[in-house]
Amino acid sequence: SYELTQPPSVSVSPGQTASITCSGDKLGDKYAYWYQQKPGQSPVLVIYQDGKRPSGIPERFSGSNSGNTATLTISGTQAMDEADYYCQAWDSSTSYVFGTGTKVTVL
Amino acid sequence: EVQLVESGGGLVQPGGSLRLSCAASGFTFSNYGMSWVRQAPGKGLEWVSSVSGGSTYHADSVKGRFTISRDNSKNTLHLQMNSLRAEDTAVYYCARRYSDSSGKNRAFDYWGQGTLVTVSS
Repeated sequence: SYELTQPPSVSVSPGQTASITCSGDKLGDKYAYWYQQKPGQSPVLVIYQDGKRPSGIPERFSGSNSGNTATLTISGTQAMDEADYYCQAWDSSTSYVFGTGTKVTVL
Repeated sequence: EVQLVESGGGLVQPGGSLRLSCAASGFTFSNYGMSWVRQAPGKGLEWVSSVSGGSTYHADSVKGRFTISRDNSKNTLHLQMNSLRAEDTAVYYCARRYSDSSGKNRAFDYWGQGTLVTVSS
């Protein structure tokens, strides 16, 4: 089955850049998606099709995907960005696959 | 405004059954693929089941026990869960598949608030 691996945690200072990686076999051949989930809330789609932002998502969120790794970048990180982030892809054998999740802490 | 409202969660004994529902509004329900995604307490997201067109798909972990269905006349999505196990304990989210002109994207653009299913004796 297809698997996506993320670092458990990432720490960032306010105003700095946070980068969250998502690793999977030939992930670059698929579309990568990213969700933000704050405590007690439902997930929110922040990046689709590797690097596109849905309406209402701030420009500080960006994404890339190549080789075996997709990356979510948060530029000028704000306190409100503190949350869990999950990558996701679709695989023909496993269907929808989510990454292991990364807790972003803004120190 | 797109809204997805889940219901039907609760406490059930191992081996028991439960039927979840998701009431959709604010969009043409029949035009969208719909899914169930769950999240065990303190854990990550796990895809459970999807329905798109006339086809249904289930994760291996629930195959043969769970059945997804939809009633387009009532704008409602269902998940029939049988032979429940302790490891099925989770918040179950109803989610809409993101749709654009390419038809290639497979992600979820709207999520409900979730309904908690607890399997315990």
